[in-house]
Amino acid sequence: AQSVTQLGSHVSVSEGALVLLRCNYSSSVPPYLFWYVQYPNQGLQLLLKYTTGATLVKGINGFEAEFKKSETSFHLTKPSAHMSDAAEYFCAVSKPLEYGNKLVFGAGTILRVKS
Amino acid sequence: GAVVSQHPSRVICKSGTSVKIECRSLDFQATTMFWYRQFPKQSLMLMATSNEGSKATYEQGVEKDKFLINHASLTLSTLTVTSAHPEDSSFYICSARAHPGALGSPLHFGNGTRLTVT
Repeated sequence: AQSVTQLGSHVSVSEGALVLLRCNYSSSVPPYLFWYVQYPNQGLQLLLKYTTGATLVKGINGFEAEFKKSETSFHLTKPSAHMSDAAEYFCAVSKPLEYGNKLVFGAGTILRVKS
Repeated sequence: GAVVSQHPSRVICKSGTSVKIECRSLDFQATTMFWYRQFPKQSLMLMATSNEGSKATYEQGVEKDKFLINHASLTLSTLTVTSAHPEDSSFYICSARAHPGALGSPLHFGNGTRLTVT
């Protein structure tokens, strides 16, 4: 069975500081990996995804994540936080054969950006 | 880009009544749609997979008679919460893929429906 662990339900950073949101997964096969963002009262929006190929993937709004198989991690980073980045972020995995259909989500991390 | 529209965004209903939530793919056809539920301060949980022209596939623990899913066309899936109770109050989100079978094709999500049962 697949599972996703997001360390830290709340992360607080200052505006302009590095953002690091952690995600570790467990899977019997190399999964597809996703990061989604949820703004208040809105649905999920895809930030980035990893399927195959380059392990460092870049997404929207300056976010990027690196797939590290040896560490079973897919941490999300952004060099400089902006106030508009305040939201809840979800890491998710799916089995490749399911083509991203059945996503297994982490519990989410709420990012707070201080001015 | 692909857009999924969900309606209504918020609904308040009395205990014992039924509520219908619509999920539409606006610029693509979706043979499969997915319904998720998000409990307060928790992550999203897949409830069921909605298949156009056939019965939905429910995840373990989800009552199919409670949460009726109908996928009558390639652009519309509906979730009906029957005989709603306060414990059904939650955030329901639908999703669909614009390119079924495409490698790692991500889901596109609706904006969700906040259901409050009083």
